[in-house]
Amino acid sequence: DQQVKQNSPSLSVQEGRISILNCDYTNSMFDYFLWYKKYPAEGPTFLISISSIKDKNEDGRFTVFLNKSAKHLSLHIVPSQPGDSAVYFCAASDSGGSNYKLTFGKGTLLTVNP
Amino acid sequence: GAGVSQSPRYKVAKRGQDVALRCDPISGHVSLFWYQQALGQGPEFLTYFQNEAQLDKSGLPSDRFFAERPEGSVSTLKIQRTQQEDSAVYLCASSLPTSGRGDTQYFGPGTRLTVL
Repeated sequence: DQQVKQNSPSLSVQEGRISILNCDYTNSMFDYFLWYKKYPAEGPTFLISISSIKDKNEDGRFTVFLNKSAKHLSLHIVPSQPGDSAVYFCAASDSGGSNYKLTFGKGTLLTVNP
Repeated sequence: GAGVSQSPRYKVAKRGQDVALRCDPISGHVSLFWYQQALGQGPEFLTYFQNEAQLDKSGLPSDRFFAERPEGSVSTLKIQRTQQEDSAVYLCASSLPTSGRGDTQYFGPGTRLTVL
């Protein structure tokens, strides 16, 4: 049973436009959410996070939105750049479980075309 | 400062061999995690250390997998009698952690294990 789902395996966007990556979760105990970016042959790189007490967090071109009632979060990248092309993973943790382990989705491959 | 490092980056083993994978976390990071990433999947949790204490090993797939962190810094993941299904990228991550709600885990580059 997948607790974190990224239903779009891939997304293609034109340079300069907005990229929107989506993530759904099923475990209502999750209270901290992160997005990681991964290039081939490298480990995941932390991008941005959001706590369940917020509904939006912004960092430069990256904004994460959290809709707790829908158990849905999204990552917006504006404007998209070719260097953003990578696999993006959504991850969640239950801090009440006191070990902070992350549960990941399967990832979405973003391609930004020049 | 240096990030999380892992060695070797690539390991090829014959079925039945034992392997040892090393992780050097970010200096000062208390928490250390191991994840397994199969092809086309997201990372899956294996085990968690807080300093030298292994507090959660619920993700280890079998008793052939063993992890240790004897001095609370470097960690080793050992796989005995490797099987083909063990082929994956093994990722190590570390975090401070902060108290309260959640931590950012910082990942190493991973070790790609191929079992023939």
